[in-house]
Amino acid sequence: AQSVTQLDSQVPVFEEAPVELRCNYSSSVSVYLFWYVQYPNQGLQLLLKYLSGSTLVKGINGFEAEFNKSQTSFHLRKPSVHISDTAEYFCAVSESGGYQKVTFGIGTKLQVIP
Amino acid sequence: ETGVTQTPRHLVMGMTNKKSLKCEQHLGHNAMYWYKQSAKKPLELMFVYNFKEQTENNSVPSRFSPECPNSSHLFLHLHTLQPEDSALYLCASSHFDRGITGELFFGEGSRLTVL
Repeated sequence: AQSVTQLDSQVPVFEEAPVELRCNYSSSVSVYLFWYVQYPNQGLQLLLKYLSGSTLVKGINGFEAEFNKSQTSFHLRKPSVHISDTAEYFCAVSESGGYQKVTFGIGTKLQVIP
Repeated sequence: ETGVTQTPRHLVMGMTNKKSLKCEQHLGHNAMYWYKQSAKKPLELMFVYNFKEQTENNSVPSRFSPECPNSSHLFLHLHTLQPEDSALYLCASSHFDRGITGELFFGEGSRLTVL
C-alpha cells in the first residue's frame, strides 16, 4: 500500500523569502507524484506532477519540486513567496501504470507573513 | 459553465434528514470521484465511477449512497448521518483511459454540518 507523509502541518514564512514544503512517500512499486493547492473556500488545484523523466518538475505560480527516489521524497519549493501563496498544499501519490487511486497527505498550511 | 460544479455549497441537516449533494462536470471526463475532507486528516477517497460504473467503494457506511446517472453527473445521497460525518465533501473528475487516470479536477466542495 502507498502512503504520504507531510512533515509540517504549518509553515509560516515572510513575504519574498524562499520556502520548502516537505513530502515523503512510501510505496513498493514505481509511483506518480503530485502537489495540489487549496485556497480558502475552494477545491484543490494541481500545481505540478512527476510522471517520469527529469526529476525536477516545474509547475504553476513559480513552484517546483524535485523527485528523489533514494530518499523517497518530493519536496515543493519556491524561491520567493507572495501573500497570494497563502493556502494549504497537499502532496499525493499513486502507483504508476494505473493511478486511479490517488493517496493524499494530510496537507501543509503555508502562511505568508507581510 | 466550465469545470466542476458542486451544489449546495453549504448544508446543515439533522440526523434523521435525507438530503443529496450534486456534482456536475463540464470537462468531458469519464471518471468522477467523491472525497471527504476532515480537519487534520488526509483526503479520504469514498467512491469512484468510471464510465458510470462504480469501481471503488472505500468501505463507506451505507448511510452514504452514490449515484452516477451519466458521466457528467454524480450525486451523494445522505440519510441518517452522524455528527462525525460533518466535513467538506469534494467531487472530482478526470480522464480515465486504459487503466490510467489523468489529473484530478476538483469542485469547490459542499460543506456539510450534521446536528
